[in-house]
Amino acid sequence: AQKITQTQPGMFVQEKEAVTLDCTYDTSDPSYGLFWYKQPSSGEMIFLIYQGSYDQQNATEGRYSLNFQKARKSANLVISASQLGDSAMYFCAMREGLMDSSYKLIFGSGTRLLVRP
Amino acid sequence: EPEVTQTPSHQVTQMGQEVILRCVPISNHLYFYWYRQILGQKVEFLVSFYNNEISEKSEIFDDQFSVERPDGSNFTLKIRSTKLEDSAMYFCASSEPGTSGMRGETQYFGPGTRLLVL
Repeated sequence: AQKITQTQPGMFVQEKEAVTLDCTYDTSDPSYGLFWYKQPSSGEMIFLIYQGSYDQQNATEGRYSLNFQKARKSANLVISASQLGDSAMYFCAMREGLMDSSYKLIFGSGTRLLVRP
Repeated sequence: EPEVTQTPSHQVTQMGQEVILRCVPISNHLYFYWYRQILGQKVEFLVSFYNNEISEKSEIFDDQFSVERPDGSNFTLKIRSTKLEDSAMYFCASSEPGTSGMRGETQYFGPGTRLLVL
């Protein structure tokens, strides 16, 4: 079974509008972390936002916010006021386990976002 | 702002040759990782390294792969005898020790090394 599911292979959004990128996850561990990374066409992986499973509030980082719905096991990324530079691939990732020695990340298949002028 | 660096940015090699990919993690980080991304696919975990030893490795990380921290700053991935299917982008990442929350958990990625095996 997929641990991280991103059901939108591609998305369009108009510049200055908000967009939501979906991510659902599957884990039986009570402690886990959820991450979003941005990968522009140049290829690097840029950390955007983190949500811990015990965090009471949804994470926000500037124009990025994470809509964390624990019961539904979803961690959707919301980008407000889209900019042309937001056009990129976006990956959702999860670290599961009770702070084990590895901290490895499991990635989803990604969503390609294209911002239209 | 501190960042993870990787060299080379691109590497072309012949099948069967050995390659060494180099990484300099963020200086106060103690957990190091290698991931790979085959073109158009998702990012896959290869290996994690802590306290001078491998803490976890994936099934991809077979005997052809090895990691080393030869000094206090570098972290290397060696592929002993490259295969065509090793062609991918290889990312190094690092994170702080087990501090709870975002600061301890977040893995910062290097810019990647694009490896092409011919």
